[in-house]
Amino acid sequence: QQPVQSPQAVILREGEDAVINCSSSKALYSVHWYRQKHGEAPVFLMILLKGGEQKGHDKISASFNEKKQQSSLYLTASQLSYSGTYFCPRRRNLEGSTLGRLYFGRGTQLTVWP
Amino acid sequence: EPEVTQTPSHQVTQMGQEVILRCVPISNHLYFYWYRQILGQKVEFLVSFYNNEISEKSEIFDDQFSVERPDGSNFTLKIRSTKLEDSAMYFCASSRQGYTEAFFGQGTRLTVV
Repeated sequence: QQPVQSPQAVILREGEDAVINCSSSKALYSVHWYRQKHGEAPVFLMILLKGGEQKGHDKISASFNEKKQQSSLYLTASQLSYSGTYFCPRRRNLEGSTLGRLYFGRGTQLTVWP
Repeated sequence: EPEVTQTPSHQVTQMGQEVILRCVPISNHLYFYWYRQILGQKVEFLVSFYNNEISEKSEIFDDQFSVERPDGSNFTLKIRSTKLEDSAMYFCASSRQGYTEAFFGQGTRLTVV
C-alpha cells in the first residue's frame, strides 16, 4: 500500500539538483515527506495537504498533483547534509480520521559527495 | 522546539525476557504510534493509540506486545517475551491529529541475545 518512489537511489555532487518522485495507486489525500539518515529516526520535512500545493524551505521544495496521485521533491544546490533516505509514506488521513498510520516504502537513497 | 523523547536509547536483553520501551510524546499531541525498523529494512508500523485505546495495529503487533499510557505524559511499549527477531530500532511518534504530520523520537535500539 505504500507509494512507489523513483529513482531508488541517486548520487550527486555538492551543488547539483535532484528530483525524487512519489506516486500512489491509491488515493492520496495528502503527501508527507521524511528524510532518514543512517542510524537515525525519520525526520519530518513537509506535508502537502491539497492538490496543486507547493511548499518549500531552504532549498528543498515539493509539489503535489492530487489528480495524478503524484508528488515530487526538489532538492536544489544539494548540500552534504541532504544525504539520507527520503520517504513519502502514504497515510489514510481523511480529515477527522483516527487512522494515522504511515506506510513506509524503501524510499530513495540520496548520496551527496563533496 | 518540542520533541518526542525515548528511553533508553539502547537496550540489550536476553531472549524470553520482558522489556518496556518508554516514550514521552509532544505534549499537545493526541495520537501516538510505535514503529520498528529491522536493520536494513523498511520502517514498519506496529500500533497507533488515541483516546486511551488502540486505534489500529498491524499483524506484527501480536499478543506479546502491549501499549499503555500510564500517566499524562508517558507512552510505553511492552514486549512480554522477547525473541531474537524482535531485535530492531523501535521508534515512537506522535501527531496532533490523525491526519497531521507525525514527529518521531530518536529511537530505542533493542538487541535480543
